[in-house]
Amino acid sequence: GQNIDQPTEMTATEGAIVQINCTYQTSGFNGLFWYQQHAGEAPTFLSYNVLDGLEEKGRFSSFLSRSKGYSYLLLKELQMKDSASYLCAVKGYQKVTFGTGTKLQVIP
Amino acid sequence: DTGVSQNPRHKITKRGQNVTFRCDPISEHNRLYWYRQTLGQGPEFLTYFQNEAQLEKSRLLSDRFSAERPKGSFSTLEIQRTEQGDSAMYLCASSLGYGGTGATDTQYFGPGTRLTVL
Repeated sequence: GQNIDQPTEMTATEGAIVQINCTYQTSGFNGLFWYQQHAGEAPTFLSYNVLDGLEEKGRFSSFLSRSKGYSYLLLKELQMKDSASYLCAVKGYQKVTFGTGTKLQVIP
Repeated sequence: DTGVSQNPRHKITKRGQNVTFRCDPISEHNRLYWYRQTLGQGPEFLTYFQNEAQLEKSRLLSDRFSAERPKGSFSTLEIQRTEQGDSAMYLCASSLGYGGTGATDTQYFGPGTRLTVL
């Protein structure tokens, strides 16, 4: 099965940088996704990692270490609209398992 | 709009009633997934289809839940004899399903159906 761990809540200041960590234990691994979910809305895709290293996409970057079962999502130049939950999700042999999400609050 | 659509967006029902939700995936996507999400939790996998074949079903899903995708396009999720514990957001997602890299299997979510069982 899959076990995914991420912090429940984080607070960061507008314009700053924040790193959201995710650790996982899995019986099969075929990639890790990060999704953003605003309150009351559906998750939207942010990034995908299947090989070790950093993937950069604008203000968002995602890092993966398969040997450590570890990933992080890095958000730069935080904006108020980045206040949302960030979901780490691991793809096993067939299905994707989601973590409980990290609720990020961006303050002025 | 070529995204995933779900209907209805909201459903209020009385305990014991049956409800049915519909999901229309992105047109070229072969895979379709159903999830349930409660407040403060991530989406919980329920089942998924590759074209019209239902390939996996969560052990957490009781026999009151059934899903179909008869022609490999839209899907329906039915909950029979609803219970208050079924109150949740029901999310549908679709993915391309084919290809050598996982990126082609990225799931795109619909807006969800919020179910309230009184």
